[in-house]
Amino acid sequence: AQTVTQSQPEMSVQEAETVTLSCTYDTSESNYYLFWYKQPPSRQMILVIRQEAYKQQNATENRFSVNFQKAAKSFSLKISDSQLGDTAMYFCAFMGKTSGSRLTFGEGTQLTVNP
Amino acid sequence: GAGVSQSPSNKVTEKGKDVELRCDPISGHTALYWYRQSLGQGLEFLIYFQGNSAPDKSGLPSDRFSAERTGGSVSTLTIQRTQQEDSAVYLCASSLNPGAGGTDTQYFGPGTRLTVL
Repeated sequence: AQTVTQSQPEMSVQEAETVTLSCTYDTSESNYYLFWYKQPPSRQMILVIRQEAYKQQNATENRFSVNFQKAAKSFSLKISDSQLGDTAMYFCAFMGKTSGSRLTFGEGTQLTVNP
Repeated sequence: GAGVSQSPSNKVTEKGKDVELRCDPISGHTALYWYRQSLGQGLEFLIYFQGNSAPDKSGLPSDRFSAERTGGSVSTLTIQRTQQEDSAVYLCASSLNPGAGGTDTQYFGPGTRLTVL
């Protein structure tokens, strides 16, 4: 079974600063996807970024980028130029290609961006 | 285009009553998922529908939980004889067509908050 661990329950950052959220996972699969979702108080889960395990290049989406270390099973999210609207709960998630299409989520990290 | 929609947004019920939660996936998405988000258990997978295949029900916590998907589109999650531990946010997601090389990204609805008194 897969497990996803987010060791930082809460983090805070000043507006315009950079913050990194950590995620580690455990799996025996070699082909899988990793995701970061954000969940603001509205409850809507919004995709932030995704990474295919077979791709060595780290995914980027505007101010969001990941540091994917496959050997270490680490998948951290870096948010640059933090904005107040980035305040949300962030979930790291794993999907294995051979274990079905379900997502396995971490516990979440509550990020607060302070003005 | 329209995203995943869920209804009702909030549902309050009494212990022992049955409830039905509805999910409308993104048009054209063949895969549909239900998850539960609760304080004690975090986000848990419940059930997965893909096209006309038999659903993956391995995440359903008890036989009081069931789900169906009519016409390959709308899905209903039914909880019979609700218990207080069923109180949670129930999230629905859909994806394009993971089995045929399409994107596996799941897009979520806003969820239904269920409170069992």
